[in-house]
Amino acid sequence: RKEVEQDPGPFNVPEGATVAFNCTYSNSASQSFFWYRQDCRKEPKLLMSVYSSGNEDGRFTAQLNRASQYISLLIRDSKLSDSATYLCVVNRNNAGNMLTFGGGTRLMVKP
Amino acid sequence: DAMVIQNPRYQVTQFGKPVTLSCSQTLNHNVMYWYQQKSSQAPKLLFHYYDKDFNNEADTPDNFQSRRPNTSFCFLDIRSPGLGDAAMYLCATSRTGTGNQPQHFGDGTRLSIL
Repeated sequence: RKEVEQDPGPFNVPEGATVAFNCTYSNSASQSFFWYRQDCRKEPKLLMSVYSSGNEDGRFTAQLNRASQYISLLIRDSKLSDSATYLCVVNRNNAGNMLTFGGGTRLMVKP
Repeated sequence: DAMVIQNPRYQVTQFGKPVTLSCSQTLNHNVMYWYQQKSSQAPKLLFHYYDKDFNNEADTPDNFQSRRPNTSFCFLDIRSPGLGDAAMYLCATSRTGTGNQPQHFGDGTRLSIL
């Protein structure tokens, strides 16, 4: 079983749609969680950290379910510019900052 | 302004010919990381430096080495590149080694092997 698992997609959605991605992680000791965005042939960029209480940043909402060990990302009112790969990232444990990346979920927003 | 800078953006080398990739940062972060990312795969951590302390991942081949001569610079040396080493190499930094610090990535160097 992979440490961080994501549906690779692609998710093809029309502009304005709401789309949600889930991610599961296997290490129950993980304490820090992030969503990164990666455009084709570019570096990953931090989209948002994920907090236990859930957090929102504009059209993006992230949630964490520790009991079930999954993280979600909700994108509302999708824009063409949201087309990218979304990487779920988990730190291995809180003693260090070693991150484990999921394989990413590809999103394509169509006009 | 770019804060984690990788050079070159594209590197072509011959099979078995040593190659060095460079990374510099203006963030004054303590930790620098090197990742390998192959097409359609997740970035895979090769090693990291916490200040001058080098930490190798258990499954990183001996062919890959790293140097950090000062806080700002970190190098990835591939001693004898094989065809399977063609990938994007990403450098990242974080302020500390604690778990809640996000990592900041450079643009990456795309390595091709002839």
